[in-house]
Amino acid sequence: NAGVTQTPKFQVLKTGQSMTLQCAQDMNHEYMSWYRQDPGMGLRLIHYSVGAGITDQGEVPNGYNVSRSTTEDFPLRLLSAAPSQTSVYFCASSYSFSGTDTQYFGPGTRLTVL
Amino acid sequence: GENVEQHPSTLSVQEGDSAVIKCTYSDSASNYFPWYKQELGKGPQLIIDIRSNVGEKKDQRIAVTLNKTAKHFSLHITETQPEDSAVYFCAAEDINSGGSNYKLTFGKGTLLTVNP
Repeated sequence: NAGVTQTPKFQVLKTGQSMTLQCAQDMNHEYMSWYRQDPGMGLRLIHYSVGAGITDQGEVPNGYNVSRSTTEDFPLRLLSAAPSQTSVYFCASSYSFSGTDTQYFGPGTRLTVL
Repeated sequence: GENVEQHPSTLSVQEGDSAVIKCTYSDSASNYFPWYKQELGKGPQLIIDIRSNVGEKKDQRIAVTLNKTAKHFSLHITETQPEDSAVYFCAAEDINSGGSNYKLTFGKGTLLTVNP
């Protein structure tokens, strides 16, 4: 199994540009989520999904959209990038949305918005 | 929602010494407390977790203790080695009022440096 994969690894955008961060998992996990990691802020939840067709907002959802059309994929869209969205983004998945399941993280995407 | 405080933010120890990282949480309904290790340039990886029905759990050099009354839990690493150097995150299960949605709330992380 490849686990959780993310593309791209690095990305530079200009303010106002749009892009999609890709996340895929091959473990048949129901639960997937997106976090952003900023210095001194830890990991903050952006959006999450408990299954195909179901998404919900996390702690910092503004400026981001998600969809979950398949179990495997959970893309994160930035519609109009802002410098405040400069961050490292991690996708994670777990078998179910039970509180006892291990979350597996991808390697991250480092995004810079100029 | 859940609030997790983690201390210290940085910790430097000599190889072979012990390291302790502490976290407090706010929601007494939380029942699951994982710890993650993040090496430079990588995603976080689960190293140990504890559920509210136990007070302590060990896995070789790593142990976690939980005090539900005081709402705090701690990570203990004994006989530290240079490869233990990383950022460590604690987390707590975040149960909304309906109890039907599951999220993790993370602490802000501790940078552990083990000096040879």
